[in-house]
Amino acid sequence: EVQLVESGGDLVQPGGSLRLSCAASGFTFRNYWMHWVRQVPGKGLECVSYISVDGRTTNYAGSVKGRFTVSRDNAKNTIYLQMNSLRVEDTGVYYCARDDHGHYDLWGQGTLVTVSS
Amino acid sequence: DVVLTQSPLSLPVTLGQPASISCRSSQSLLHSDGDTHLNWFQQRPGQSPRRLISRVSNRDSGVPDRFSGSGSGTDFTLKISRVEAEDVGVYYCMQGTQWPWTFGQGTKVEMK
Repeated sequence: EVQLVESGGDLVQPGGSLRLSCAASGFTFRNYWMHWVRQVPGKGLECVSYISVDGRTTNYAGSVKGRFTVSRDNAKNTIYLQMNSLRVEDTGVYYCARDDHGHYDLWGQGTLVTVSS
Repeated sequence: DVVLTQSPLSLPVTLGQPASISCRSSQSLLHSDGDTHLNWFQQRPGQSPRRLISRVSNRDSGVPDRFSGSGSGTDFTLKISRVEAEDVGVYYCMQGTQWPWTFGQGTKVEMK
């Protein structure tokens, strides 16, 4: 089955860190650019980051630049999102999504990140 | 950033009747590769977004043909020819032409 499965979401205090994972299966993972997208209550959907097939090209939304780092392990069919210096406004559901040349054609079920004291 | 403005934000619908959602972009979504990277997603309660339409008007596999997309440049429309009960949810347009990719605010479709 073609799917993406996120994990790692948790409750963390402001200023803390968290690492999310997204495991892919059912397709040739190394052929696809991958993204992280978050859904923040009351603010809708936001594209957070992307990574190229070989991991050499990455980019971030301005709101997370310098705090989040995306990476991938093609041997494990997994992408990661290292989130540091977390803020209350980072609270939300984080999805990984497959990039079909400018279009998200596959989403995971999401993992909930809650930043609160 | 490219701003996508959807209207209406709330759309009460009647079973069997048509429905239409507009998405307007703050700049042209025509990419240098010749494609217009405008997508439509449906998000049912408690679920992840599901793509319905890519490249303005290409319906995804398994998407009922009552859904159609149209438009160009900065103005786009998603139409449902005859609304069914399973169409309740929130609909988003999204552009993948310029980073950061951005979404519209969402249109909540609910039964009258």
